[in-house]
Amino acid sequence: QQQVKQSPQSLIVQKGGISIINCAYENTAFDYFPWYQQFPGKGPALLIAIRPDVSEKKEGRFTISFNKSAKQFSLHIMDSQPGDSATYFCAATLEGGATNKLIFGTGTLLAVQP
Amino acid sequence: NAGVTQTPKFQVLKTGQSMTLQCAQDMNHEYMSWYRQDPGMGLRLIHYSVGAGITDQGEVPNGYNVSRSTTEDFPLRLLSAAPSQTSVYFCASSDPSQGNYGYTFGSGTRLTVV
Repeated sequence: QQQVKQSPQSLIVQKGGISIINCAYENTAFDYFPWYQQFPGKGPALLIAIRPDVSEKKEGRFTISFNKSAKQFSLHIMDSQPGDSATYFCAATLEGGATNKLIFGTGTLLAVQP
Repeated sequence: NAGVTQTPKFQVLKTGQSMTLQCAQDMNHEYMSWYRQDPGMGLRLIHYSVGAGITDQGEVPNGYNVSRSTTEDFPLRLLSAAPSQTSVYFCASSDPSQGNYGYTFGSGTRLTVV
């Protein structure tokens, strides 16, 4: 299986709250897990990424939590702001270290209410 | 640097017409890919290339052709457009050899087939 399953499909969070988006994968050969952020009319942009040798990575208000045994990883957005309103995609590589074949989740539409 | 440039931004085709979506990058990236984005389905890989002269099929290649004669350019050809090809198309590039494991996406081409 080469699927990456993402949930929820949409999410509404109040300003200052925590946004949590979850992804699960099946292929244990995956070795790179990026998150992308996409604003309307724009292409996806790399937000943060993690490799399976660590359980957590934090960059500013964005944190990836990774559970290798459960084959799950999640994005946490702390102190969510209206400017974070966007579609978020998780992804995984199919071949070790070579991101020529990124497999994407179906996306989560995040709305942060002021 | 312009990054990844896609043209045109919008296009309307009649069923059966052919066209080429252009993609160019100025970052000297080896890897380039084409994805299509449809509501609720995330980004699905159409074709990819690991270098000039080398291409391969992704998840949804039917109805599309690609070629990679130079490092910079990776055009996507629709041979005979069908309404099912109505979508937003994204070109992306990366180069792990440069320490760039995340894809850089273009701004997309919105294609409507009537």
